[in-house]
Amino acid sequence: DAGITQSPRHKVTETGTPVTLRCHQTENHRYMYWYRQDPGHGLRLIHYSYGVKDTDKGEVSDGYSVSRSKTEDFLLTLESATSSQTSVYFCAISVLGSPLHFGNGTRLTVT
Amino acid sequence: AQSVTQLGSHVSVSEGALVLLRCNYSSSVPPYLFWYVQYPNQGLQLLLKYTSAATLVKGINGFEAEFKKSETSFHLTKPSAHMSDAAEYFCAVSEGTGTASKLTFGTGTRLQVTL
Repeated sequence: DAGITQSPRHKVTETGTPVTLRCHQTENHRYMYWYRQDPGHGLRLIHYSYGVKDTDKGEVSDGYSVSRSKTEDFLLTLESATSSQTSVYFCAISVLGSPLHFGNGTRLTVT
Repeated sequence: AQSVTQLGSHVSVSEGALVLLRCNYSSSVPPYLFWYVQYPNQGLQLLLKYTSAATLVKGINGFEAEFKKSETSFHLTKPSAHMSDAAEYFCAVSEGTGTASKLTFGTGTRLQVTL
């Protein structure tokens, strides 16, 4: 366990509402990532961060924004949730010399 | 751009049989390659990684993978399947150092192990 906590673990929300998912790490790592997992697509990168206030887009960033005001927290926001954003969301961190370590995921359902 | 193709979305083997999960990659630079395993309702766990050292890489739980540049492949094998190996397996490629780089994942292969 690389000290990653995702919250909430499950969430059901309605179309058009804003949603924020939180990723918290306890080990002060610089790089953090948000992926979404969908059947038949594997995991796809949404956004990533390489430091406080330094973020960049991944391959499926439309409809998502992120913020990182502290090293330990990386927030993913859906400004206006759509049914196509129903997915399992994973946060990951980069540990020096090693590849990604993942949290246990947040299952989001948009009705 | 980098990409990964996993052949076979579902693989079924008998307990004790050889496990072979296929992964082919495309990368414009020497790749770093990874296999992850995901058990139900959990995150992904690293099985093994290739980072340009030995071409035969040994991982956890008795799995290994061989990097074959000529075939652009990184297939995952295990000599004898166990019931506890039932899970979903993902191959991934990184075009950077593997630390600060983004991973591109395949679509996954679900392994079923039968008695």
